[in-house]
Amino acid sequence: EPEVTQTPSHQVTQMGQEVILRCVPISNHLYFYWYRQILGQKVEFLVSFYNNEISEKSEIFDDQFSVERPDGSNFTLKIRSTKLEDSAMYFCASSDYRGETYFGAGTRLSVL
Amino acid sequence: LAKTTQPISMDSYEGQEVNITCSHNNIATNDYITWYQQFPSQGPRFIIQGYKTKVTNEVASLFIPADRKSSTLSLPRVSLSDTAVYYCLVGDGNSGGYQKVTFGIGTKLQVIP
Repeated sequence: EPEVTQTPSHQVTQMGQEVILRCVPISNHLYFYWYRQILGQKVEFLVSFYNNEISEKSEIFDDQFSVERPDGSNFTLKIRSTKLEDSAMYFCASSDYRGETYFGAGTRLSVL
Repeated sequence: LAKTTQPISMDSYEGQEVNITCSHNNIATNDYITWYQQFPSQGPRFIIQGYKTKVTNEVASLFIPADRKSSTLSLPRVSLSDTAVYYCLVGDGNSGGYQKVTFGIGTKLQVIP
């Protein structure tokens, strides 16, 4: 079964540092997404990406965040100048033409 | 997006059938009903999606009455590994593949030996 893969599984960083979370969406999917889940809270939408540009973003996705599809397979989320409150699980997802959305296993970001 | 209401938690014994009902009174004509499962420290996993009547796959069944104001996810003969949070979501199925998912709190299912 095809799957969304994310690396690393756990990222530890110091406050103020930049991190890049990486994802490989399912190959024939058209839409890509990033979500996050702070421990004990709901899964929250961050941003969606289609045709090499952002199609929708939430109020959480401010100038600190950026996304990129640097090549034909990778999809990245960059967080500049990380804050303690950025600590969370970050999930990448992709959807096919039917709208069925598949999530990766997530990257746990710990900001110290 | 239509608001959904589902129980916060449920307990079930192994081997039993579990039915989780979700209310979505304001569902729109174009909306589909989708259920996800999430294990601790893992990403949500798509289980099943439907528009009306009944949908069945290898994991679950989804029952949707004619008025579509509610839906019931049915898990046959649950095992301990079915312990997870189950999310009911309602969204536009005519979006050409775009499916921003808005999660609620979900239903925490605890399967008891």
